[in-house]
Amino acid sequence: QLQLQESGPGLVKPSETLSLTCTVSGGSISSSSYYWGWIRQPPGKGLEWIGSIYYSGSTYYNPSLKSRVTISVDTSKNQFSLKLSSVTAADTAVYYCASYDSSGYDAFDIWGQGTMVTVSS
Amino acid sequence: QSVLTQPPSASGTPGQRVTISCSGSSSNIGSNYVYWYQQLPGTAPKLLIYRNNQRPSGVPDRFSGSKSGTSASLAISGLRSEDEADYYCAAWDDSLSGPWVFGGGTKLTVL
Repeated sequence: QLQLQESGPGLVKPSETLSLTCTVSGGSISSSSYYWGWIRQPPGKGLEWIGSIYYSGSTYYNPSLKSRVTISVDTSKNQFSLKLSSVTAADTAVYYCASYDSSGYDAFDIWGQGTMVTVSS
Repeated sequence: QSVLTQPPSASGTPGQRVTISCSGSSSNIGSNYVYWYQQLPGTAPKLLIYRNNQRPSGVPDRFSGSKSGTSASLAISGLRSEDEADYYCAAWDDSLSGPWVFGGGTKLTVL
């Protein structure tokens, strides 16, 4: 059973870079049918897709965040990561990592529990 | 402002049937599958419907999805108190909105 777990600082200062890691267990991040993604949810608001990555390194980003986002994969550690630069209070949110199985439900069907990140000085 | 439009709230009484709408455009719902998620308070979203009207293993058949043109709907029959949650529609988008877009969410209250 695939499981995902987010980790990283819960507090980031304005203008700095937010960095989160998602550890995948119960399966290989190198599986050819999987995409890996980051989705966030500001307090009391809806879901926003940030971006996705394929194990080969191909990335897809939300155009509204593209200039500030980098998603990478580390196959040796079975992890993928999110970096969001020049953060402001508007980036305060619960950040979820999720997996997308193109040979399964063809959707983000396995999610981490989420990690709250607050942007504040 | 979400790319997909949902009503902010919906409500029903136990046993009732409720529907939640999701409106999009030709670049998303009009040309791609629709997905629905249920988010209980304080938890991660759970996939409820995939490919317009398919239910993942374990999702009760009280939940059903449909799509017509650039709109989609989620129907919940035999409403239960545990169905009280936020519901989100999602779809691939072929435009500059980005590959994956969500609706703004609908809070379902069971009266």
